[in-house]
Amino acid sequence: SQQGEEDPQALSIQEGENATMNCSYKTSINNLQWYRQNSGRGLVHLILIRSNEREKHSGRLRVTLDTSKKSSSLLITASRAADTASYFCATDKTGANNLFFGTGTRLTVIP
Amino acid sequence: DADVTQTPRNRITKTGKRIMLECSQTKGHDRMYWYRQDPGLGLRLIYYSFDVKDINKGEISDGYSVSRQAQAKFSLSLESAIPNQTALYFCATSDPGQAPGGQYFGPGTRLTVL
Repeated sequence: SQQGEEDPQALSIQEGENATMNCSYKTSINNLQWYRQNSGRGLVHLILIRSNEREKHSGRLRVTLDTSKKSSSLLITASRAADTASYFCATDKTGANNLFFGTGTRLTVIP
Repeated sequence: DADVTQTPRNRITKTGKRIMLECSQTKGHDRMYWYRQDPGLGLRLIYYSFDVKDINKGEISDGYSVSRQAQAKFSLSLESAIPNQTALYFCATSDPGQAPGGQYFGPGTRLTVL
């Protein structure tokens, strides 16, 4: 079964706007990761946030983690058409040896 | 050159045929993974290997087998392909001791079973 669930399933915004995607999970984790996938291609790792961290930044990306609510959010600021892709969260569960991926958010940035 | 390569990139086969998908990596990572992706279902783990002598089943291993021929090579086999194995297959590698963490994915193999 999937560990993470992203919300919304699809998001369409204008270029320059911010995009926020959310991820909820069910069990305790060591870390949570966000990945990007362009249509039909391999996933690319964006950012990892550990269970003892609450916020992390990388360029135009901002990730938050609330372990009490078992949720995370990914914010992409000043979006560009090239940000159009699917975004997946993946959890590294405590006691497990592999990642569990959510079903993804499909982001479309309109030029 | 890509760090994680997969061959073939596309394959169409018939029900009952044996198929092998191959993955090679130049990242020097010990850990390798095979996933399948179906529309709307995200990625699901088939098998993973933490070194040449370590093979583990994932969430959906039935109907699949793997071989870790070397640190750099990890192959996935479908012994007798069936139509519901039509999917996009990804190989990935990782080294948990390396920053920034995460897994590195190959470009994928699109498999169609008729």
